[in-house]
Amino acid sequence: AQSVTQLDSQVPVFEEAPVELRCNYSSSVSVYLFWYVQYPNQGLQLLLKYLSGSTLVKGINGFEAEFNKSQTSFHLRKPSVHISDTAEYFCAVSDRGDSWGKLQFGAGTQVVVTP
Amino acid sequence: EAQVTQNPRYLITVTGKKLTVTCSQNMNHEYMSWYRQDPGLGLRQIYYSMNVEVTDKGDVPEGYKVSRKEKRNFPLILESPSPNQTSLYFCASSGHSSADYGYTFGSGTRLTVV
Repeated sequence: AQSVTQLDSQVPVFEEAPVELRCNYSSSVSVYLFWYVQYPNQGLQLLLKYLSGSTLVKGINGFEAEFNKSQTSFHLRKPSVHISDTAEYFCAVSDRGDSWGKLQFGAGTQVVVTP
Repeated sequence: EAQVTQNPRYLITVTGKKLTVTCSQNMNHEYMSWYRQDPGLGLRQIYYSMNVEVTDKGDVPEGYKVSRKEKRNFPLILESPSPNQTSLYFCASSGHSSADYGYTFGSGTRLTVV
């Protein structure tokens, strides 16, 4: 079974500064990778996903992530954050194929953006 | 509007009293899943379903039951709730093609068992 490690539980960042959220997964077999965002008192929203193809994936709200198979990582980046990016971010991974529905989440990274 | 609808949003119950949390999706999705979210633990999968009458256990299935009799509905049943099942629960659904992969989540059900 896959497991996901989000290396930072909380990341404080100033407005308009860049941010990187780190995510590593356990297996080197073929995987699907996802990043979700959860705003306070809301459900989860899909930011971006890697299924195949280009290792640099662009998502909503100016976020992007890079898949690195050799390092089993899928780090999320944004070049300039806004106050509205304050939220919790979750990395998730699943095996390819029909069992993709068994999606494993990391523990989350809380991003706090201050002026 | 495409969405996953869970009911109720909030529920307080007593230990041992059977309850059902309903989940419905209007996107004709094949995959559906239930997760629980606890502080510091992220989301842990309870059960998931690949299609009607096809379900499989996630990481924390003990104490829960599910059924998938219709494509749009995936209720979560707690036959005898206990305080350690106090949590925030999310239902989610996804399409079957690679273009559609990626769960769409409901707004959550906050369950308290006393």
